[in-house]
Amino acid sequence: AQSVTQLGSHVSVSEGALVLLRCNYSSSVPPYLFWYVQYPNQGLQLLLKYTSAATLVKGINGFEAEFKKSETSFHLTKPSAHMSDAAEYFCAVDSSYKLIFGSGTRLLVRP
Amino acid sequence: GAGVSQSPSNKVTEKGKDVELRCDPISGHTALYWYRQRLGQGLEFLIYFQGNSAPDKSGLPSDRFSAERTGESVSTLTIQRTQQEDSAVYLCASSFTGTQGNEQFFGPGTRLTVL
Repeated sequence: AQSVTQLGSHVSVSEGALVLLRCNYSSSVPPYLFWYVQYPNQGLQLLLKYTSAATLVKGINGFEAEFKKSETSFHLTKPSAHMSDAAEYFCAVDSSYKLIFGSGTRLLVRP
Repeated sequence: GAGVSQSPSNKVTEKGKDVELRCDPISGHTALYWYRQRLGQGLEFLIYFQGNSAPDKSGLPSDRFSAERTGESVSTLTIQRTQQEDSAVYLCASSFTGTQGNEQFFGPGTRLTVL
């Protein structure tokens, strides 16, 4: 069965600092992986997805993620945090057609 | 132009009552999904509709939960005899097809509170 683990339910960074949100997956087949962002009282918005075309995936709002098969990881990064990045971030793996989500990481950005 | 819409945005009900949640997917999207998000947790898959195929109901937590979809349009999720543990945000998503790797577009959710 496929699964996703997000390490750290809360991550706090200073504005301008590097953002690193961790995601590890378990899958017996080459996975399709996603990062979604959820702003308060809103639905989920796709940040980026990995579909095996390239291991480094660039998404919206300056985010990117690198697929590392050897580490079964798909960590999300952004070089410089902005106050508007404060939100909850979910990593997900595509299990046939339904998404299996991690428990989420809430990103706090300090001024 | 719309994205996925859901109604109501908030629903407060008493334990034991039935509730109906509605989802309007993006026009032209053949696949529709329902997920549940409990407080402080990730999303749990509930049910999947793809065109006229039989739905995948494998995520429904009990027989009190059911869902219908009319063709490739509106879907309703019904919870009968609601319990307090049903309190959650119910999110609907749609995608152009049910093909693996397709982006799912999410609605804003319905926040259900069972007193």
